[in-house]
Amino acid sequence: KQEVTQIPAALSVPEGENLVLNCSFTDSAIYNLQWFRQDPGKGLTSLLLIQSSQREQTSGRLNASLDKSSGRSTLYIAASQPGDSATYLCAVDRDNYGQNFVFGPGTRLSVLP
Amino acid sequence: EPEVTQTPSHQVTQMGQEVILRCVPISNHLYFYWYRQILGQKVEFLVSFYNNEISEKSEIFDDQFSVERPDGSNFTLKIRSTKLEDSAMYFCASSGTGAYYGYTFGSGTRLTVV
Repeated sequence: KQEVTQIPAALSVPEGENLVLNCSFTDSAIYNLQWFRQDPGKGLTSLLLIQSSQREQTSGRLNASLDKSSGRSTLYIAASQPGDSATYLCAVDRDNYGQNFVFGPGTRLSVLP
Repeated sequence: EPEVTQTPSHQVTQMGQEVILRCVPISNHLYFYWYRQILGQKVEFLVSFYNNEISEKSEIFDDQFSVERPDGSNFTLKIRSTKLEDSAMYFCASSGTGAYYGYTFGSGTRLTVV
């Protein structure tokens, strides 16, 4: 059974810092990994999708990497801003038909002005 | 950018009542999903739907739950007799070709059972 964990559970940094969020999964036989952002009481906003054949994806100040063999992904946020404050979730999918998208518990990020 | 739309954003219902949560997926998507998130807990898979039938469901999705695509645009989740523990945020998602190109989630319906 796929288990997804995220470290740290919470993180507080001053504005401008670069930071790394970590995601680990127990079964490396994944097809995709997706990073989401969730604001309090709100929905899930997709940030980056890494397909299993890829090693990283970039969007603006965000860079996500994937190491399937070790069961790890990292989300790197450069030059953090107060608007980045949210919970960041990673999720892994087991097959190409969208079944069993398993979510991690999230990392709650606070960027202080 | 195309969106997944969910209505209502918040619904309060009495225990034992039936509720229907509504979703309008992205128009050219073929795969539809419901997930839920109990306050303070992980997002959990409920059910996936493709080609007008359930393709997979979790152990959470028991006989109290049903899904339907009544027309070409809506996708609904029905809870027949709500329980207090059904209180959660329910998310609808859609995908064009399975999850290979990722999901798009709606903004959720917060269901409160009293």
